Amino acid sequence: GAGVSQSPSNKVTEKGKDVELRCDPISGHTALYWYRQSLGQGLEFLIYFQGNSAPDKSGLPSDRFSAERTGGSVSTLTIQRTQQEDSAVYLCASKRGAQEKLFFGSGTQLSVL
Amino acid sequence: TQLLEQSPQFLSIQEGENLTVYCNSSSVFSSLQWYRQEPGEGPVLLVTVVTGGEVKKLKRLTFQFGDARKDSSLHITAAQPGDTGLYLCAGASGSARQLTFGSGTQLTVLP
Repeated sequence: GAGVSQSPSNKVTEKGKDVELRCDPISGHTALYWYRQSLGQGLEFLIYFQGNSAPDKSGLPSDRFSAERTGGSVSTLTIQRTQQEDSAVYLCASKRGAQEKLFFGSGTQLSVL
Repeated sequence: TQLLEQSPQFLSIQEGENLTVYCNSSSVFSSLQWYRQEPGEGPVLLVTVVTGGEVKKLKRLTFQFGDARKDSSLHITAAQPGDTGLYLCAGASGSARQLTFGSGTQLTVLP
């Protein structure tokens, strides 16, 4: 596609439920990143994929968070047993190889009630 | 852990005024990027600076990378309402694959 696409754009869930967030990167981009952003704040790194492998998972906040990427393209971020503190905007970004320009999606606004 | 501190956190000014946003760290970065983010959207890259002391201009925006590559500034001349947004700096270091983002400066330019 022309840009990074994320779905859903908004997700409201109840505490304790599992949620799955999807990211479609720009075609041909081998590197994919997940970030989390609290209201009006900077970005917190979660995980990075190079192809289908995740060499850096250091930012995942807890074992309730997991992510996978298949076919070197689509990625899903799964949050199990959601907590209120998980409420944030989850941003996905991709880039072509070693080039450092990141292209971001519009994010998924997650609200845990 | 590498940290980037941005100041001010919030800035509200009148159209036509000048402003400077600062991005500081105790760590050295191989490059530093500035992004602007509007509500409901992801950040969009404005510029990348690589060399210590480098100055880049983008219309009314001037970006500077500190000589020691630990800090950067963004200066906007004659601000316009369209400049309103969240400005984020982000540093890249040699072996790390991810960018370290600052906490952001929320700029509001009033007409």
